[in-house]
Amino acid sequence: EPEVTQTPSHQVTQMGQEVILRCVPISNHLYFYWYRQILGQKVEFLVSFYNNEISEKSEIFDDQFSVERPDGSNFTLKIRSTKLEDSAMYFCASRDRANSPLHFGNGTRLTVT
Amino acid sequence: AQRVTQPEKLLSVFKGAPVELKCNYSYSGSPELFWYVQYSRQRLQLLLRHISRESIKGFTADLNKGETSFHLKKPFAQEEDSAMYYCALSGYSGGSNYKLTFGKGTLLTVNP
Repeated sequence: EPEVTQTPSHQVTQMGQEVILRCVPISNHLYFYWYRQILGQKVEFLVSFYNNEISEKSEIFDDQFSVERPDGSNFTLKIRSTKLEDSAMYFCASRDRANSPLHFGNGTRLTVT
Repeated sequence: AQRVTQPEKLLSVFKGAPVELKCNYSYSGSPELFWYVQYSRQRLQLLLRHISRESIKGFTADLNKGETSFHLKKPFAQEEDSAMYYCALSGYSGGSNYKLTFGKGTLLTVNP
């Protein structure tokens, strides 16, 4: 069964540095998402992406965040200047239709020191 | 606005006992509800969705629109059911976008 893949599995970075989290959604999927989960808290929506543009973003997704689909397979989340509170598990997800179930990647654990 | 409430953060039962994980939602339209499961150090996996009305791994969930609930049930819990369970609601949020909103999750522990 095809899967969403995310790299790296764990990223450690210093405060103020830029990070790029990478995701390869399932190949025939059209809708892409990023969620995050701070340790001990719930899974929170960050952003959705469809037809090469952001379709919705949460209040968490401020100017420090950006997403890109640089080619036909990758979907990236960039944090320009990381803060301590950005430390979390970041999940990428995709789906083939607007209201079908989301398929999640294994997540990237981001640790900002 | 759409909201999902899972009132129990932790639930502990013995093997063979019935288990019910509660989920209530708030949404003005016609919702689509899901249960996702996250086993230790693994990805979020879809367990079941209300429109399919199927039983997966012995779990069932019925959408009760009157009570705005979508509780997850299993008559006889197994140790391998120990995991984090998330109730989620997919609601229309404009354009062609449906956003999935999660509850805070319930950690189920099944003791031998």
